[in-house]
Amino acid sequence: DSGVTQTPKHLITATGQRVTLRCSPRSGDLSVYWYQQSLDQGLQFLIQYYNGEERAKGNILERFSAQQFPDLHSELNLSSLELGDSALYFCASSVESTGTEAFFGQGTRLTVV
Amino acid sequence: GEDVEQSLFLSVREGDSSVINCTYTDSSSTYLYWYKQEPGAGLQLLTYIFSNMDMKQDQRLTVLLNKKDKHLSLRIADTQTGDSAIYFCAERVYGGSQGNLIFGKGTKLSVKP
Repeated sequence: DSGVTQTPKHLITATGQRVTLRCSPRSGDLSVYWYQQSLDQGLQFLIQYYNGEERAKGNILERFSAQQFPDLHSELNLSSLELGDSALYFCASSVESTGTEAFFGQGTRLTVV
Repeated sequence: GEDVEQSLFLSVREGDSSVINCTYTDSSSTYLYWYKQEPGAGLQLLTYIFSNMDMKQDQRLTVLLNKKDKHLSLRIADTQTGDSAIYFCAERVYGGSQGNLIFGKGTKLSVKP
């Protein structure tokens, strides 16, 4: 158990809908990262937050957004969902913004039908 | 841009050594990582090596880094069926304020009894 908790584990929704994925980092970790894992693109970095502030952006679509709350948990919001958004979404956390060790949650499997 | 490449498949017999190879392009990488993903599970951090090191050993795992050739390898000694998984190589690039990782597409290791 990495100590990073993601909910829900599975999510099935229809095209055009909006979903929210939640991540609780390891105790003491200030930095949260979101990654998308799909068959064709592999593991892609989406966005990073550090202590409530956005720190870095990767290949995140405009339809997606995230935030990190004062209690350090983070949410990834995906809207106007398309079939191609079906993927495994991982959250990772580390102590610092450039933390050497990043620990991953179990992921949320999103299926868009 | 940054790119990390791995061969997609490796098959070994139980008890043999496995060697998973990875090449990366960014010479300013600071840390290089190996993650393990078992079916239906998250990413487990196996080990990592700082870019000024040549080798790191941790029980059955040996990481070799050839910085000149930008080549990283993971050797698993006495491979067991429980080692069957997908192994991801990842790099973190020096200088950014962010700590996100660039992942390879993963090597699927199959261990035959």
